[in-house]
Amino acid sequence: DTGVSQDPRHKITKRGQNVTFRCDPISEHNRLYWYRQTLGQGPEFLTYFQNEAQLEKSRLLSDRFSAERPKGSFSTLEIQRTEQGDSAMYLCASSLSSGGGGYEQYFGPGTRLTVT
Amino acid sequence: AQKVTQAQTEISVVEKEDVTLDCVYETRDTTYYLFWYKQPPSGELVFLIRRNSFDEQNEISGRYSWNFQKSTSSFNFTITASQVVDSAVYFCALSEGYQAGTALIFGKGTTLSVSS
Repeated sequence: DTGVSQDPRHKITKRGQNVTFRCDPISEHNRLYWYRQTLGQGPEFLTYFQNEAQLEKSRLLSDRFSAERPKGSFSTLEIQRTEQGDSAMYLCASSLSSGGGGYEQYFGPGTRLTVT
Repeated sequence: AQKVTQAQTEISVVEKEDVTLDCVYETRDTTYYLFWYKQPPSGELVFLIRRNSFDEQNEISGRYSWNFQKSTSSFNFTITASQVVDSAVYFCALSEGYQAGTALIFGKGTTLSVSS
């Protein structure tokens, strides 16, 4: 039973560079979520997909952030022109969905981004 | 607006003590879901429990128990006979709407330290 995986686990980049993270959800899950977590805080929602459709985006997701899930399986999160304030743990989660109720989200190990 | 408050920032106990983690939520929806997650030092968020707003029945799972009270908008979590392995950050989270497939709103977390 494979859980949610994320790659890379750690990324150090210089301010102004672009970075891309990948998330592979649990195979039968059709919903995929991205969150950001800074030190001492709970995760904050960024965006989510149902299959390949991006259905919701947070105000935290500035124009420098873009997420895709081209075939409804893995997803990528790209940050352009990184800033020091982007330093955080980026978490991916996946869940089932149905018309009848909610399902818990299962989280990956995260990608820790450090912008120098 | 929805909000989750975990007033206890840090709790320290000695092994075998019982400990209760408090969670108070705010929502205008009549249908919502509440969750608890554990984040051990390794960093990966682990799902513990989900409750929907129509089910106020308390739940016990091994050493864990949850007390959901709509009248006080609280969803508290108790660990009985705590163990060192329970040391982690615990997050309470809220999801609104019938499908609960969108954003989880997390509290800031409570850091539990269990010493031997």
